[in-house]
Amino acid sequence: EDQVTQSPEALRLQEGESSSLNCSYTVSGLRGLFWYRQDPGKGPEFLFTLYSAGEEKEKERLKATLTKKESFLHITAPKPEDSATYLCAVQAAEYTGNQFYFGTGTSLTVIP
Amino acid sequence: DAGVIQSPRHEVTEMGQEVTLRCKPISGHNSLFWYRQTMMRGLELLIYFNNNVPIDDSGMPEDRFSAKMPNASFSTLKIQPSEPRDSAVYFCASSSARADTQYFGPGTRLTVL
Repeated sequence: EDQVTQSPEALRLQEGESSSLNCSYTVSGLRGLFWYRQDPGKGPEFLFTLYSAGEEKEKERLKATLTKKESFLHITAPKPEDSATYLCAVQAAEYTGNQFYFGTGTSLTVIP
Repeated sequence: DAGVIQSPRHEVTEMGQEVTLRCKPISGHNSLFWYRQTMMRGLELLIYFNNNVPIDDSGMPEDRFSAKMPNASFSTLKIQPSEPRDSAVYFCASSSARADTQYFGPGTRLTVL
């Protein structure tokens, strides 16, 4: 059973059309949930870390929230440059050391 | 401040050949991770070093894969012999003891013909 599930797999938005990406997890003893952005041909770029339910982080048009079972990445009034694959990862007490377990990502396309 | 450095950026080789991928972590970071990314399986952790010592290599697919970290500023991932199914993008990431966040390199795109 997948420990981290992201949905939808792909999302197409018109410029300015707000939406949310979902990351659900089943690990116990969550130590941290991480959001990354990955552009084609590049490595994942760190966006946010969330540690406890109720926590929120914001950066420009992006806002990440965390509950006990899932995290959302809200994108407000997206622009074409927000097009990328967004990955979430979890770090849990059941893992050794600083290991992450990644979801398969949501591919976001913002149409001008 | 330089990020994680990987070389080569692209590698094309023939089945059966030895392939060596290289990584220089961010200075001061004491944890290093090797990942493989494919369309089918996403980002998979292969092996994880802490203070140059391999902590968990359970993600290494088989004995053809090996990784070393001879010092704090250099690591290699070797595939011998390579097979077409090894074709993927291989990422190296590092993190510090104080922060959990992992910082990724640009990756090596490996194609095995």
